[in-house]
Amino acid sequence: QQPVQSPQAVILREGEDAVINCSSSKALYSVHWYRQKHGEAPVFLMILLKGGEQKGHEKISASFNEKKQQSSLYLTASQLSYSGTYFCGTERRNGGATNKLIFGTGTLLAVQP
Amino acid sequence: GAGVSQSPRYKVAKRGQDVALRCDPISGHVSLFWYQQALGQGPEFLTYFQNEAQLDKSGLPSDRFFAERPEGSVSTLKIQRTQQEDSAVYLCASSWRGTGVNQPQHFGDGTRLSIL
Repeated sequence: QQPVQSPQAVILREGEDAVINCSSSKALYSVHWYRQKHGEAPVFLMILLKGGEQKGHEKISASFNEKKQQSSLYLTASQLSYSGTYFCGTERRNGGATNKLIFGTGTLLAVQP
Repeated sequence: GAGVSQSPRYKVAKRGQDVALRCDPISGHVSLFWYQQALGQGPEFLTYFQNEAQLDKSGLPSDRFFAERPEGSVSTLKIQRTQQEDSAVYLCASSWRGTGVNQPQHFGDGTRLSIL
């Protein structure tokens, strides 16, 4: 029931790119992306509402394929500050939207100098 | 304050004791959520309030867990007769729109609960 993220962990050098995938077995209404650093609160990155929608935030963008029930987060020219654990959070269709987020399994991203 | 505030930041309790965790959401935010986060895992939904109404408590693991938001602002999560498996970080989040749907959730830093 929990969305599955891949990869589980990734190590990058500064300036490299990465893609994090989020896949659900259930129909999705929307997808949220958050980044959490150790011991800190999850920080909202972006929300995608429509199938095929793409959004961007600085050098971080995301796509949402409603038919495939998948979302991907794209990090380009990574910076040290991008390090952390990335979670997708999904709202599922239930004859309408649900209010709660079901978070994915998480992807640990480490950016090295 | 500007963000979601949770207290205490850390709580250590002996098994069997009752604990109360406080969440002060962003001013004006209608929706309030509680999540439980185990080490190395994503947050798991516990309960949701819209103003003072508790609209969803499907994630509360047992009847030892109780949450309230009597005046539609500050919320308290209470755990009675704590067990070791209750050890986790408890996160509170708020969002401004009434339904909470399609809204960013703003999280507090959480309360790290350790049951001895």
